Amino acid sequence: DTAVSQTPKYLVTQMGNDKSIKCEQNLGHDTMYWYKQDSKKFLKIMFSYNNKELIINETVPNRFSPKSPDKAHLNLHINSLELGDSAVYFCASSRSGGGDYGYTFGSGTRLTVV
Amino acid sequence: GQQLNQSPQSMFIQEGEDVSMNCTSSSIFNTWLWYKQDPGEGPVLLIALYKAGELTSNGRLTAQFGITRKDSFLNISASIPSDVGIYFCAGLTSGGSYIPTFGRGTSLIVHP
Repeated sequence: DTAVSQTPKYLVTQMGNDKSIKCEQNLGHDTMYWYKQDSKKFLKIMFSYNNKELIINETVPNRFSPKSPDKAHLNLHINSLELGDSAVYFCASSRSGGGDYGYTFGSGTRLTVV
Repeated sequence: GQQLNQSPQSMFIQEGEDVSMNCTSSSIFNTWLWYKQDPGEGPVLLIALYKAGELTSNGRLTAQFGITRKDSFLNISASIPSDVGIYFCAGLTSGGSYIPTFGRGTSLIVHP
């Protein structure tokens, strides 16, 4: 009965590969997010989707493409992986306009590009 | 863009000690949030503050929304080993995108 679940937990891949991270939430939230946490633990918003529509797209290389097939799922596809993409990626969800009520985060996907 | 200064960056304390950390901003926020991230996990919301001057507790944790609306404080009393983790503050302004601005975190280590 995990609230926000991400898969895989760990991902090790070579430069140049394409990979996907999946996220699902069973909280009935309308808004989902992708965050990147770098080695210094800084949390940076990447994307936000509300009811399957993209509402926030921060300065992220277009090699990153989110996809939301329905409001319970937000997947992240990354093309042509680079060393600098190594980080922990967190999916999160909230009620619509509910960032001020706090997010529910997944447990993260640690991506290592070698 | 908005920036949050969170301090201290790290703390090493003995079990039983009290802990204080804070966040300051050059901008006014309408909401302050405090999260804790356990090793290998995602951040979990601890306390949410919605009104200047508000003081809210969650067990041994107490957080305050600063009167100027540009700062917030988190105190942990009688620390225990499971308090270890990274504590993040986050602030939100009204009428915006409801995306919080996160501080850079305070890493807490508690020695038994």
